[in-house]
Amino acid sequence: QKEVEQDPGPLSVPEGAIVSLNCTYSNSAFQYFMWYRQYSRKGPELLMYTYSSGNKEDGRFTAQVDKSSKYISLFIRDSQPSDSATYLCAMSAPLLLEAGSYQLTFGKGTKLSVIP
Amino acid sequence: DTAVSQTPKYLVTQMGNDKSIKCEQNLGHDTMYWYKQDSKKFLKIMFSYNNKELIINETVPNRFSPKSPDKAHLNLHINSLELGDSAVYFCASSPGDRVYNEQFFGPGTRLTVL
Repeated sequence: QKEVEQDPGPLSVPEGAIVSLNCTYSNSAFQYFMWYRQYSRKGPELLMYTYSSGNKEDGRFTAQVDKSSKYISLFIRDSQPSDSATYLCAMSAPLLLEAGSYQLTFGKGTKLSVIP
Repeated sequence: DTAVSQTPKYLVTQMGNDKSIKCEQNLGHDTMYWYKQDSKKFLKIMFSYNNKELIINETVPNRFSPKSPDKAHLNLHINSLELGDSAVYFCASSPGDRVYNEQFFGPGTRLTVL
């Protein structure tokens, strides 16, 4: 079992729809949970991050973490064509080698298309 | 005013050759990384450097070697290139060795090995 599982899609929705993107993970040591957005032929950019369980909202985006289920979600409200991109979840856990160092593990990414 | 830059953007080469990819960040960050993104878009960390010390070294072949001449640069050298090395390689940087801090990615170098 991979450490982080993410459905690669593709996911196609009409403009204005609510989008739900999800990841599951197996490593209970993960403490920080991030969502990166990657446009075609570009590098990923951080969209949101959360620490431990709970919700975090930023404009049209809401990130949820359920550590008991090892499940994280990203919701996009009122989706726009400009949201069309690949969304990668990422998680970090402390390395055993060096205190304070964190390793980042990415999901495979979900490709989202928002149709006008 | 590019934050993280990589050169070249595209690299096409023959099997067995040796090549280098350069990375520079002008953000004053302490930690830099190299990632490999394969054809299935899976992004996997290869190396990271903090203050010129290697702090993460995933199980990549020793044909790959990172070189950091200074805090702003982390170059990737690849010897004896193989077909399976074809991928997009991303450089990234972050303020410290705590990766919950935002990582800033370069535009990527698309490597094709023929």
